[in-house]
Amino acid sequence: KQEVTQIPAALSVPEGENLVLNCSFTDSAIYNLQWFRQDPGKGLTSLLLIQSSQREQTSGRLNASLDKSSGRSTLYIAASQPGDSATYLCAVEGGANNLFFGTGTRLTVIP
Amino acid sequence: DTGVSQDPRHKITKRGQNVTFRCDPISEHNRLYWYRQTLGQGPEFLTYFQNEAQLEKSRLLSDRFSAERPKGSFSTLEIQRTEQGDSAMYLCASSLSGDNGYTFGSGTRLTVV
Repeated sequence: KQEVTQIPAALSVPEGENLVLNCSFTDSAIYNLQWFRQDPGKGLTSLLLIQSSQREQTSGRLNASLDKSSGRSTLYIAASQPGDSATYLCAVEGGANNLFFGTGTRLTVIP
Repeated sequence: DTGVSQDPRHKITKRGQNVTFRCDPISEHNRLYWYRQTLGQGPEFLTYFQNEAQLEKSRLLSDRFSAERPKGSFSTLEIQRTEQGDSAMYLCASSLSGDNGYTFGSGTRLTVV
């Protein structure tokens, strides 16, 4: 069974810092990897989708990379803002037509 | 299209009662998923529909849970004889075949008292 791990579990940074969130997965046979944001008590908002054939995706201040062979992905957030405070979830889709999620990284950006 | 809609947003019920949740996916999406999320955890897969056919069910989906997607449009998730352990956020997602990623709804938060 696919296992997804996210490190760190929580992160607190001052506004303006660049930061990296890490995601690792045990089975490299994936279709794609998706990063989501979740605000407290809310649903999931998709941030970036990386297909298995891709190495990275960028959207605004966000950049996600994928190294399928080593089972790793990183989410880079540039120039962090207080509005970035949320839980960030990594999920991989394998051949089972569903997503396997990590437990998330809870980010706090201090003004 | 405003995305994936879920109703209700919150539900408080007494133990032993039945509850039903509804999900309206993005209209052109043929795949629909139900996930459950407990506090501090990532969402866990419950079940998956392609059009109206329920193709996969997780072991988490006990006999008290049933999901339907009549006509391949909206879906319902029913929990019978609710237990306190059923308290969680129930998330619905939809996607279009072809690796375009998943779109999630805002979820239904269930509290069993």
